[in-house]
Amino acid sequence: DAGITQSPRHKVTETGTPVTLRCHQTENHRYMYWYRQDPGHGLRLIHYSYGVKDTDKGEVSDGYSVSRSKTEDFLLTLESATSSQTSVYFCAISGRGTSAGYEQYFGPGTRLTVT
Amino acid sequence: DAKTTQPTSMDCAEGRAANLPCNHSTISGNEYVYWYRQIHSQGPQYIIHGLKNNETNEMASLIITEDRKSSTLILPHATLRDTAVYYCIVRADRLTGTASKLTFGTGTRLQVTL
Repeated sequence: DAGITQSPRHKVTETGTPVTLRCHQTENHRYMYWYRQDPGHGLRLIHYSYGVKDTDKGEVSDGYSVSRSKTEDFLLTLESATSSQTSVYFCAISGRGTSAGYEQYFGPGTRLTVT
Repeated sequence: DAKTTQPTSMDCAEGRAANLPCNHSTISGNEYVYWYRQIHSQGPQYIIHGLKNNETNEMASLIITEDRKSSTLILPHATLRDTAVYYCIVRADRLTGTASKLTFGTGTRLQVTL
């Protein structure tokens, strides 16, 4: 395992409430990513980080924000959850140390349901 | 990043080799071919990657054609645990100062049967 965990693993929340998902790594990887996966779609990139306090948008970033205050943690926040954000969210890491590694290692996922 | 084309689904008998094809006819010279798989309800798992030479590791072999327009992932002795969706992804070499984003398509659903 690449030493990557996600919390919570499952969450049910109501429309309009804020939600924060956490990704934690113990591998000192430089890059971290948040993806979402929905039926009929492959994984789609939401946001990514290329260092502490350095983040950028992916292809489906609307309605999401991220923060990375330290190497090991990457937080994904839904400021006001909507039903369209019901999905499985995966965190990934790559690039041990300061190099941009080729492989990405994925966490176990968080299943979020917005009612 | 170059676009890839994979069959929607494939079947393979347990113990036989599973050969999963991928077309990437628009691949550029600095783009690598990656393979990942996703077993039901789990996060994607890295399998192997290559540039132009064939590659082998403990999980699989990757055969890339000489013109690099297609590749084949080979699982030499498929087991029931190899049942998963397999993704072929093409992406550029490491980009200085930019994360190595991966774009996942819909992949090939491999069903290994007894």
